[in-house]
Amino acid sequence: AQSVAQPEDQVNVAEGNPLTVKCTYSVSGNPYLFWYVQYPNRGLQFLLKYITGDNLVKGSYGFEAEFNKSQTSFHLKKPSALVSDSALYFCAVRDKDTGRRALTFGSGTRLQVQP
Amino acid sequence: DTAVSQTPKYLVTQMGNDKSIKCEQNLGHDTMYWYKQDSKKFLKIMFSYNNKELIINETVPNRFSPKSPDKAHLNLHINSLELGDSAVYFCASSQDLVHRADTQYFGPGTRLTVL
Repeated sequence: AQSVAQPEDQVNVAEGNPLTVKCTYSVSGNPYLFWYVQYPNRGLQFLLKYITGDNLVKGSYGFEAEFNKSQTSFHLKKPSALVSDSALYFCAVRDKDTGRRALTFGSGTRLQVQP
Repeated sequence: DTAVSQTPKYLVTQMGNDKSIKCEQNLGHDTMYWYKQDSKKFLKIMFSYNNKELIINETVPNRFSPKSPDKAHLNLHINSLELGDSAVYFCASSQDLVHRADTQYFGPGTRLTVL
């Protein structure tokens, strides 16, 4: 079985400050991990993914995420938040080694960046 | 050019009616998906087709019937609509199933409201 937990329903941060959106996962084998962002009344947009190799993954709009196998985490980060980053963020996982073919998404974290 | 498109964007209908949502992708992908996002923003896979063949059916009621006339299209037909079917339905596509690290690209969503 595969699952994802996003422990925070909402994260508030001031513009210019660093932000972190947390994600932990559970898979039987090794994970492929993804972050998506959803702006109001829009579809999901792909931000970044971890496949293998370097634990620090860089993605769109200045976002990055760090894969930590021992903590089974894949937290999303950005050094300096923008008001326009305010949106709903989803972490997702897919097991590399099993037959499970669909992505499993977390429950989402709403990021609010205050000016 | 829109990569994954869905029609209609909004659908308001009465209980008991039958309705369809259409999805098209122009990315040349082999695999397409339907996801349901409920009022709490939780995303769950419903179906997946690979080259017109159904490969995922996640305990969705029989009232939901996907149809894939070709690999660029995946339509969702819903019979005897119920209040609980109200949600946002997202179509997505990815290159193929062999490469499990493939990114899924999402359409803009169809907001279905059943009265």
